[in-house]
Amino acid sequence: DTAVSQTPKYLVTQMGNDKSIKCEQNLGHDTMYWYKQDSKKFLKIMFSYNNKELIINETVPNRFSPKSPDKAHLNLHINSLELGDSAVYFCASSQDLVGGRWAKNIQYFGAGTRLSVL
Amino acid sequence: GQQVMQIPQYQHVQEGEDFTTYCNSSTTLSNIQWYKQRPGGHPVFLIQLVKSGEVKKQKRLTFQFGEAKKNSSLHITATQTTDVGTYFCAGPYGGSQGNLIFGKGTKLSVKP
Repeated sequence: DTAVSQTPKYLVTQMGNDKSIKCEQNLGHDTMYWYKQDSKKFLKIMFSYNNKELIINETVPNRFSPKSPDKAHLNLHINSLELGDSAVYFCASSQDLVGGRWAKNIQYFGAGTRLSVL
Repeated sequence: GQQVMQIPQYQHVQEGEDFTTYCNSSTTLSNIQWYKQRPGGHPVFLIQLVKSGEVKKQKRLTFQFGEAKKNSSLHITATQTTDVGTYFCAGPYGGSQGNLIFGKGTKLSVKP
């Protein structure tokens, strides 16, 4: 069984369209993340959710809206796609943040969604 | 703001040669992690270092955490073609233990 699964794996779309990427984890983790990896392989956090609550929201355009229906799912919806949104988007999860035990921030990544905006 | 820097950005080696990548943080870290991303793949956790001066080994890979807990290194002895990929270091971000800030990675290519 895949621990962190994302769909779709590839997404090709036109500028201006709205699209969603789904992520599910079966590890029982409390925290989930979205990362963006650009063409230079730079991995940057976008959002993190702990138990369905938004913990961190980096400087990301408000066209990006994460939604967490439950702690096993974190979806990413993108409105009005732009050329600069083309990248690989990774979902990840880690164990509970509470307690500050740093051994629990090891992150497990999904296979990624390669988004191409034409 | 907080930064994690890695050098070199790229490294090309002949199979059998050694390889080292270095990671430096602008702030003291409670722990540092290393991840490997194969071409076309996703980052995979390798190891976490917690103690000042800690050294850990995984077969041909040796990881070190600096005494000041601001720098780290990954050394691979006698590289193999299976070592190809991008190696990232990462540390806790913004005081939160869960969120990580990643270095820009070192891309390793190995010529057989």
